[in-house]
Amino acid sequence: EIVLTQSPGTLSLSPGERATLSCRASQSVGSNYLAWFQQRPGQAPRLLIYGASSRATGIPDRFSASGSGTDFTLTINRLEPEDFAVYYCQQYGSSPYTFGQGTKLEIK
Amino acid sequence: QVQLQESGPGLVKPSETLSLTCTVSGGSISSSYWSWIRQPPGKGLEWIGYIYYSGSAKYNPSLKSRLTISVDTSKNQFSLKLTSVTAADTAVYYCARLPLFNTFDPWGQGTLVTVSS
Repeated sequence: EIVLTQSPGTLSLSPGERATLSCRASQSVGSNYLAWFQQRPGQAPRLLIYGASSRATGIPDRFSASGSGTDFTLTINRLEPEDFAVYYCQQYGSSPYTFGQGTKLEIK
Repeated sequence: QVQLQESGPGLVKPSETLSLTCTVSGGSISSSYWSWIRQPPGKGLEWIGYIYYSGSAKYNPSLKSRLTISVDTSKNQFSLKLTSVTAADTAVYYCARLPLFNTFDPWGQGTLVTVSS
């Protein structure tokens, strides 16, 4: 089973700043099948990024992602108030599919 | 566009069976794989398993001995049954589409299932 470790656990920033979130895998993620989800309080997760760097439909270009193998990064430029949420990385390259423990992005 | 809606009891007694159904609208269930994911209150996400319209399924090994996922193409629904539940199975249960070579999108709104006597 691939274990995903996200850092930091909590990130405190102000609107307009840039957020950088990290996701490290315990072994290489097959075909770079790594996704990022955003979860706002009381809502279901929403797909932001798939295939390590491709934005899902309707996701603003403020969201970008990169990485391969075991190290992946999600960057959010010019933070908007609605971006403050919990972010999860998830790998779907091998079963069982696994999620990171989440990074909480909070308003400073 | 495809929408998903979970339904089922919100309270299940310990040692009994948790049963949920996901209804797919706006598209055919024969077009993709379909999955269940859960989230204990205040915690992270856990993939439960997925099923194809043909009935072929794959489960998380951590739940495999207690889990059955099935599909009813005539109703555009798929279902989850988890036996011998304990308090550790208390969670929000989500259903989601799982496109081939891609990941969970979209998700249902989720349904909270509490295991308690």
